[in-house]
Amino acid sequence: GQQVMQIPQYQHVQEGEDFTTYCNSSTTLSNIQWYKQRPGGHPVFLIQLVKSGEVKKQKRLTFQFGEAKKNSSLHITATQTTDVGTYFCADNAGNNRKLIWGLGTSLAVNP
Amino acid sequence: DGGITQSPKYLFRKEGQNVTLSCEQNLNHDAMYWYRQDPGQGLRLIYYSQIVNDFQKGDIAEGYSVSREKKESFPLTVTSAQKNPTAFYLCASRSAGLRQPQHFGDGTRLSIL
Repeated sequence: GQQVMQIPQYQHVQEGEDFTTYCNSSTTLSNIQWYKQRPGGHPVFLIQLVKSGEVKKQKRLTFQFGEAKKNSSLHITATQTTDVGTYFCADNAGNNRKLIWGLGTSLAVNP
Repeated sequence: DGGITQSPKYLFRKEGQNVTLSCEQNLNHDAMYWYRQDPGQGLRLIYYSQIVNDFQKGDIAEGYSVSREKKESFPLTVTSAQKNPTAFYLCASRSAGLRQPQHFGDGTRLSIL
């Protein structure tokens, strides 16, 4: 079945450095949702990308959807300790009934 | 205040015992989901329901059962057949419209005594 690969699995950065996580698929993605899960918490929806080549920004976060709709990325500029957590991408599979989740990228930020 | 309530927050199971995790939502969402999350792992789908009195198996349904008798409630039973139940269990819901995001409860941590 369809798989969504996310890299890297872990990332440690110094506060103020940038961070990027990538979400890739061998098949065309329907539309990508990004979630953030703080340590000990639950996933919280961040944003959804639908169109090929789409770029959306939320303050220091930039989300991109590839032109071929086979990859997506989340970039954080100048990380802060509040960015700590695991970032998941998920494809809203064509039948719209369930999400196909990546394994997530865990971000640690050293103050 | 609308949301999803999972209870209990922590649960301990004895060998051979069935336990039921509660999930209630007052968001008027049609679809509800149960996920299992192991340390350092992603989310694995156990069961989901699109409508009352109907539900489908997810990727790891063996050893689990669910019911959907009311729109707002989707309890998960971890049966004694689930040999490795220690995990973090997350319930989510979503409205019926296209491309709607999932909203999650705070989760239940289940451990074996």
